[in-house]
Amino acid sequence: EPEVTQTPSHQVTQMGQEVILRCVPISNHLYFYWYRQILGQKVEFLVSFYNNEISEKSEIFDDQFSVERPDGSNFTLKIRSTKLEDSAMYFCASRGTGGNSYEQYFGPGTRLTVT
Amino acid sequence: RKEVEQDPGPFNVPEGATVAFNCTYSNSASQSFFWYRQDCRKEPKLLMSVYSSGNEDGRFTAQLNRASQYISLLIRDSKLSDSATYLCVVNIGSNYQLIWGAGTKLIIKP
Repeated sequence: EPEVTQTPSHQVTQMGQEVILRCVPISNHLYFYWYRQILGQKVEFLVSFYNNEISEKSEIFDDQFSVERPDGSNFTLKIRSTKLEDSAMYFCASRGTGGNSYEQYFGPGTRLTVT
Repeated sequence: RKEVEQDPGPFNVPEGATVAFNCTYSNSASQSFFWYRQDCRKEPKLLMSVYSSGNEDGRFTAQLNRASQYISLLIRDSKLSDSATYLCVVNIGSNYQLIWGAGTKLIIKP
């Protein structure tokens, strides 16, 4: 069964450093998302991406964040200058078209720890 | 008012019992509705979509009441493996971003 993959599974970084979180969505999916979940809190929407551009973003997704689809398979989230409060699980999700196209499928997440 | 509200639990339930989860949402423009389950420190996994007509998948039954903006999930004959956090999720906006409830933790006891 196709699945969303994410790397790395755990990233530790110092405050102020840049991090890039990587995702490989399901191959025939066209819509991509990033969510985050701070430990013990609910999942929060960050950004949606379609047709090589951001289609929607939340208040959390400020100028420190960016997304990119550098090739036909990868989808990345960059945080330019990490803060302590960026520590969270970051989940990538993708969805297709047709059929159950409203359903989003999640990767296993990257645990980001900012020290 | 929270966009998606759930009872935080935890629900402590003996194996074999029936468990009911309730959820309310505030945005009447919400388009699609889901139940996800999340195991500790894992990604959310889609359990089932929820349709206006109600839908059933094995031991799981989901209901949607658009007029009341209410969603439910029923688990019958609960198993130890059902222990997890159950997340009520609604889909809004033209780009279908998901808005999440905080989840209800379920603990099934032998």
